[in-house]
Amino acid sequence: GAVVSQHPSRVICKSGTSVKIECRSLDFQATTMFWYRQFPKKSLMLMATSNEGSKATYEQGVEKDKFLINHASLTLSTLTVTSAHPEDSSFYICSGRDAYEQYFGPGTRLTVT
Amino acid sequence: DAKTTQPPSMDCAEGRAANLPCNHSTISGNEYVYWYRQIHSQGPQYIIHGLKNNETNEMASLIITEDRKSSTLILPHATLRDTAVYYCIVRVGSNAGNMLTFGGGTRLMVKP
Repeated sequence: GAVVSQHPSRVICKSGTSVKIECRSLDFQATTMFWYRQFPKKSLMLMATSNEGSKATYEQGVEKDKFLINHASLTLSTLTVTSAHPEDSSFYICSGRDAYEQYFGPGTRLTVT
Repeated sequence: DAKTTQPPSMDCAEGRAANLPCNHSTISGNEYVYWYRQIHSQGPQYIIHGLKNNETNEMASLIITEDRKSSTLILPHATLRDTAVYYCIVRVGSNAGNMLTFGGGTRLMVKP
């Protein structure tokens, strides 16, 4: 299957700082990318959907000014958590979609201290 | 609204078949049944999908009832590495027209 990578795999940051997470589709062009968040022992919750070159569409309850998403190319999307707080600590998973299927990255564990 | 219902957890002995049930009684005629799994601290991994016929691949078999209101994922010879959360998802179309929405899943524990 197609490969999606995320960087970094783990990050620890201080409260109030911003963190950027990169998501790359390595062997396919992702016309759409999704960002999910997963709290411990919970299921994946969709945060936002982005199409290349367009503004992201955020799910209800997700603050667009706090979770900045950029999808500048067909192989790269970034999620920036701005002014992170401890409650933003979570497992963030991106997913890229081509014409056929949706493929998931390995996830990024964010810990805000 | 949850479109699928799965037991929250199951145990299976190593080497035995693991049968994971899923109820999707409100499934529409154009909705496919997808199965993904998520090993701890990793992203979801695609397993298999089907519309109405039973499907088999190198990972698992998918049995869909004739009325399509339920299905069973079968791991024929479970190993310790199959310990994961298994998600049953219904989605319109077999291509990527609609995103995947995850429910609670079944936490499968394979025991030696």
